[in-house]
Amino acid sequence: GAVVSQHPSRVICKSGTSVKIECRSLDFQATTMFWYRQFPKKSLMLMATSNEGSKATYEQGVEKDKFLINHASLTLSTLTVTSAHPEDSSFYICSARDVGQGYEAFFGQGTRLTVV
Amino acid sequence: ELKVEQNPLFLSMQEGKNYTIYCNYSTTSDRLYWYRQDPGKSLESLFVLLSNGAVKQEGRLMASLDTKARLSTLHITAAVHDLSATYFCAGYTSGTYKYIFGTGTRLKVLA
Repeated sequence: GAVVSQHPSRVICKSGTSVKIECRSLDFQATTMFWYRQFPKKSLMLMATSNEGSKATYEQGVEKDKFLINHASLTLSTLTVTSAHPEDSSFYICSARDVGQGYEAFFGQGTRLTVV
Repeated sequence: ELKVEQNPLFLSMQEGKNYTIYCNYSTTSDRLYWYRQDPGKSLESLFVLLSNGAVKQEGRLMASLDTKARLSTLHITAAVHDLSATYFCAGYTSGTYKYIFGTGTRLKVLA
């Protein structure tokens, strides 16, 4: 199956700083990528849909100025958590859609963000 | 807007037993997915169900889809400890290209 690489897998940052998470599709072109947030023992909450070459579409209640998404190429989307606070600590997962495989989405390994 | 619910939320079962996880969704979903998540890990794709009556099986897991009832099931046959994980179903709407996840079922298989 298609491979989606997410980096870093773990990051600890200080309150007030920004952190960038990368999501790469390694062997296919992804016109659309998705960013999810998962709280402990909870389901995945869709944050935004990232489309190559255009602005991301954010879900209701997600602060677009807080969670900056850039999808500059067909293989890379980035999520930047700006001015991080401890409540931003969470597990962030990206997925990329491979139109060549029947619209199945493949998931990155996830990033555990801890803001101290 | 598509909403997806699963039950049960928690399931503790003995090895060798059978059980079913249910996934209900609120409006038309173009396809239905099942995923497995181990603690601290991302999601592993298990099944994609594309049409009414679809049934797929892999080892001790079998998934089915009834689009009229807006119901998908994940049946576990003769459970083993290695199946302990959280299982998610997800619906998909082609109009929005969104994958909407269910609440998840935490399965614990006791030896």
